[in-house]
Amino acid sequence: AQTVTQSQPEMSVQEAETVTLSCTYDTSESDYYLFWYKQPPSRQMILVIRQEAYKQQNATENRFSVNFQKAAKSFSLKISDSQLGDAAMYFCALGYGGSQGNLIFGKGTKLSVKP
Amino acid sequence: DTEVTQTPKHLVMGMTNKKSLKCEQHMGHRAMYWYKQKAKKPPELMFVYSYEKLSINESVPSRFSPECPNSSLLNLHLHALQPEDSALYLCASKGPNYGYTFGSGTRLTVV
Repeated sequence: AQTVTQSQPEMSVQEAETVTLSCTYDTSESDYYLFWYKQPPSRQMILVIRQEAYKQQNATENRFSVNFQKAAKSFSLKISDSQLGDAAMYFCALGYGGSQGNLIFGKGTKLSVKP
Repeated sequence: DTEVTQTPKHLVMGMTNKKSLKCEQHMGHRAMYWYKQKAKKPPELMFVYSYEKLSINESVPSRFSPECPNSSLLNLHLHALQPEDSALYLCASKGPNYGYTFGSGTRLTVV
C-alpha cells in the first residue's frame, strides 16, 4: 500500500520563529520522490521542496528544509524565519518516476502565522 | 513558459448544462492530470494522460469526459453534473525531472 500521513491537522507559529511539519509515508518502491506543496487561499498548488529518495542529502530551498529519514519513512518540513506569507495549507506528497506516475497526497496541515 | 494555465477560473453551471474546462501547458510535458479537490481536503486523482492517451481513469462517473487533443492541451467535458460535483478542479503536468506543475484551478459550482 502507498500512503502518506500528516498527523498535524493544524499548526501555528509566531512570525520569525521556526516550525516543523511532520509527514510519514509508506511505499514498497525503491524509486520515488517526496514533495511538499503549499496551497494558500488563492488555491494555487505551489511546489515548496522536492527530495529524491536515492539522495541522502536533505533538500534545502532558502528558508525551507527537510529532514528525510528513509529508513523511518519520515519526511518533515522545517520552515525557518516564518513569514506571514507562509500561512497556507501544506501537503506532503509521494510521487514516482515514469510517464504516468501519480502523486499521493497526505491530508494536509493548515499553518497559521501569528504577527 | 513554466506555467499550467486553466480556464475558466470560476464556473457556475446548472445540472442540465454542458460545459468544458481547459488546461494548457507549453513545457513539453507528456503526462497531464486532472484532480478534484473538495474544501479542506487533498486533491483526488481523476484522470491521467500519458503521451496524449488516457492511461488512468480512477472510476470517475461518465458525466466527466476527458479529452487530450494534443500534447499541450487537456480538456474536461462536463455534462449533467450533480451539486456534489462542486469542487476545485486542478490540472497538472509532469516533466522529465519528475516535477509536477499545477494550474491555479477552476472553481466549479453546480446549481
